[in-house]
Amino acid sequence: QLQLRESGPGLVKPSETLSLTCSVSGGSISSSDYYWAWIRQPAGKGLEWIGSMYYSGTTYYNPSLKSRVTISVDTSKNHFSLNLSSVTAADTAVYYCARQGSWYSKYFRHWGQGTLVTASS
Amino acid sequence: DIQMTQSPSILSASVGDRVTITCRASQNINSWLAWYQQKPGKAPKLLIYKASSLETGVPSRFSGSGSGTEFTLTISSLRPDDFATYYCQQYDSNSFTFGQGTKLEIK
Repeated sequence: QLQLRESGPGLVKPSETLSLTCSVSGGSISSSDYYWAWIRQPAGKGLEWIGSMYYSGTTYYNPSLKSRVTISVDTSKNHFSLNLSSVTAADTAVYYCARQGSWYSKYFRHWGQGTLVTASS
Repeated sequence: DIQMTQSPSILSASVGDRVTITCRASQNINSWLAWYQQKPGKAPKLLIYKASSLETGVPSRFSGSGSGTEFTLTISSLRPDDFATYYCQQYDSNSFTFGQGTKLEIK
């Protein structure tokens, strides 16, 4: 059974870089059938897609975050990572990783449990 | 970017009611739309994909319809477990967007 688990610091200082890792078990991150994605949700607000990555390195980013976001994959560790630079209080949110289908199935079927990241000094 | 607009933002209903949530896209997205249910403190759960395909394990009281720019999620007879927030998501382009959410609350 596929499981995704987010990990990383729960507190990041403003202007610094937020770094999270999503560990994947029960499935290979090198599968050609899936993309791997990050989505966030500020407290009491809606869902915001951050970006998606294919195992080959192809990435798609939310245009509003593109200048600050990097998603990378480590196939040897079966995990993928999010870096978000120059954070502000507006980046405080629960961050989810998810598996997304490829081709015409780019919905999010499998999600991690989410991890809260607070941007504060 | 394709904008997704849900209505209503809040819906009050009773157990047994039939309810409908609408999602409108700012441009044609064919049938590339999914619906999710989210409960407090939990990750979203996929309910419907390709506008009307029911995800495995999701009760048949949930149904989706629509194509192009207008879509609906219908719950035929509300159960207590259905009170949650619902989101639509388009995947027509490679810049994925969600609706702002509809909170379904007990009347």
